[in-house]
Amino acid sequence: DVKVTQSSRYLVKRTGEKVFLECVQDMDHENMFWYRQDPGLGLRLIYFSYDVKMKEKGDIPEGYSVSREKKERFSLILESASTNQTSMYLCASSHDRGSGYTFGSGTRLTVV
Amino acid sequence: QKEVEQDPGPLSVPEGAIVSLNCTYSNSAFQYFMWYRQYSRKGPELLMYTYSSGNKEDGRFTAQVDKSSKYISLFIRDSQPSDSATYLCAMSVGPPGNQFYFGTGTSLTVIP
Repeated sequence: DVKVTQSSRYLVKRTGEKVFLECVQDMDHENMFWYRQDPGLGLRLIYFSYDVKMKEKGDIPEGYSVSREKKERFSLILESASTNQTSMYLCASSHDRGSGYTFGSGTRLTVV
Repeated sequence: QKEVEQDPGPLSVPEGAIVSLNCTYSNSAFQYFMWYRQYSRKGPELLMYTYSSGNKEDGRFTAQVDKSSKYISLFIRDSQPSDSATYLCAMSVGPPGNQFYFGTGTSLTVIP
């Protein structure tokens, strides 16, 4: 089974801190995605990547950046955390040949 | 107008009932349609994946796509308490590795 592993399940950070969320997949998927999920708003795409060292902005990239130095790892960076970034963050990966996304278990981030 | 519309519910049914979950969409270019199940505090997991119009059955689950009406459905037969979760529809234009557009999810509770 494909596994997408997110480094933390729960995280509490202070306003203004730089926050790193890590995601690793073990099935050689080309595509990786970062979403945030909020009640009533559903899943919103932050950034995605189709290849190593490439990135594309999603619908809500402001306040975030990403890094993909290796195919299996896709990191989300909150440059200066703010309370409105309190959310559930979900990483996903997929193969170019199909079968849909595989999601990680999510990181619930609270910014205080 | 959102790309994908989904009634958030909540939906509450007795055990054994047939459940119908639905999504409508506006982009006629969508060709790949998926249903995800998400348990509380977990990442979404892929339930059903279909291409273009038609039906697909997998055990107690049936996915239906009507591209002429821009309408997709997920039916759950003989619903069980373990089916209690949030169900998300998702769809994409290109090969399944590309960006998906998600509904906001329908919360389902199956009462024993």
